[in-house]
Amino acid sequence: DIQMTQSPSTLSASVGDTVTITCRASQSISAWLAWYQQKPGKVPKLLIYKASTLDSGVPSRFSGSGSGTEFTLTISGLQPDDFATYYCQQYNGYLWTFGQGTKVESK
Amino acid sequence: QVQLVQSGAEVKKPGASVKVSCKASGYTFASYGISWVRQAPGQGLEWMGWISAYNGNTNYARNLQGRVTMTIDTSTSTAYMELRSLRSDDTAVYYCARDITSGCLRYWGQGTLVTVSS
Repeated sequence: DIQMTQSPSTLSASVGDTVTITCRASQSISAWLAWYQQKPGKVPKLLIYKASTLDSGVPSRFSGSGSGTEFTLTISGLQPDDFATYYCQQYNGYLWTFGQGTKVESK
Repeated sequence: QVQLVQSGAEVKKPGASVKVSCKASGYTFASYGISWVRQAPGQGLEWMGWISAYNGNTNYARNLQGRVTMTIDTSTSTAYMELRSLRSDDTAVYYCARDITSGCLRYWGQGTLVTVSS
């Protein structure tokens, strides 16, 4: 199975900061990667798919990049609404997996 | 608009089975697959498997194969997830989700809490 490893596990940041979360796959997944945001008690929200395509309605301060085994999610100009946990998910082939999550908290 | 409405919370004893439903509306049911994802308390997301609403083909996570069965009822646009031989570590919120393209889960049900306790 393809393992997904996110770093860091927790990230402390302030409003206005640019933050970057990394996701590494245990083998190449081309660009078959999605990013989700989840707030406590809420369902996950799709932010980005195919590594860099912003889902409809997602603010442009979110961006994704990468291919193969290394991917990044960048939030440029962190907003109060962005404090949440972020998950990557690979969907290469028939068995999909999530990363363990990165919590973005207020510094 | 696309909606996925799941069945209510369940409390089960270890060794029992649970079957969670996910009723879809607002789109052509057979055109998209349904995934099931679970989240244990305070933990991350775990993909459990996927079922095609077109032909019922399934893919299951390896660690659940043999204990999980996903089915669909096209007459009611409903997907089901049954998990057998429940253990305490199966306690989680179970979500159904619909993709936009294969694997990208844009639409989510509200979640169903399954508690396994003696």
